[in-house]
Amino acid sequence: ELKVEQNPLFLSMQEGKNYTIYCNYSTTSDRLYWYRQDPGKSLESLFVLLSNGAVKQEGRLMASLDTKARLSTLHITAAVHDLSATYFCAVAHIQGAQKLVFGQGTRLTINP
Amino acid sequence: GAVVSQHPSRVICKSGTSVKIECRSLDFQATTMFWYRQFPKQSLMLMATSNEGSKATYEQGVEKDKFLINHASLTLSTLTVTSAHPEDSSFYICSARHTGYSNQPQHFGDGTRLSIL
Repeated sequence: ELKVEQNPLFLSMQEGKNYTIYCNYSTTSDRLYWYRQDPGKSLESLFVLLSNGAVKQEGRLMASLDTKARLSTLHITAAVHDLSATYFCAVAHIQGAQKLVFGQGTRLTINP
Repeated sequence: GAVVSQHPSRVICKSGTSVKIECRSLDFQATTMFWYRQFPKQSLMLMATSNEGSKATYEQGVEKDKFLINHASLTLSTLTVTSAHPEDSSFYICSARHTGYSNQPQHFGDGTRLSIL
């Protein structure tokens, strides 16, 4: 059974600081996704990671994937208040419809 | 870009009412769509996989007769919550992926907030 764990679950940080969110998963997969969710809203796609060693960057966010360690990271550089949200990683089952299993989410609060 | 439209965005109704939620892919075809439920401050839990032209595949613990799914075309899936009760109150979100583009992310609808009184 595929399980996905994120940590930390809650993160409060100051503007300008750097931090990393971790996403571990339990079985082999070839697709990992990062999503952002604002309060009361649906999910916004941030990154799609498809291969070992993949690294993608968008603004102050950078995501990486290590399929051997079954680990993905979402790194935040010089955080700004607008990045406050809940971040989810999701891992796709290899077979079938490639349904997603989501991590618990990391609630990120960035304080001025 | 790809857009998934979900309707209605909010429903408030009495216990015992059946509620239908629509999920449409607006500019792409989706053989497969997914229905999730999210309780407050929790993650998304997959309820079922909706397959165009065939029966939906339900996750363990999800009642098929309670949550009816119909995927009649390549752009529309519907979820009907039958005889809804207060414990069915939740945020329901659908997603779809462009058929033939398995490397693309699932695109999510805006969600439907269901409140059963």
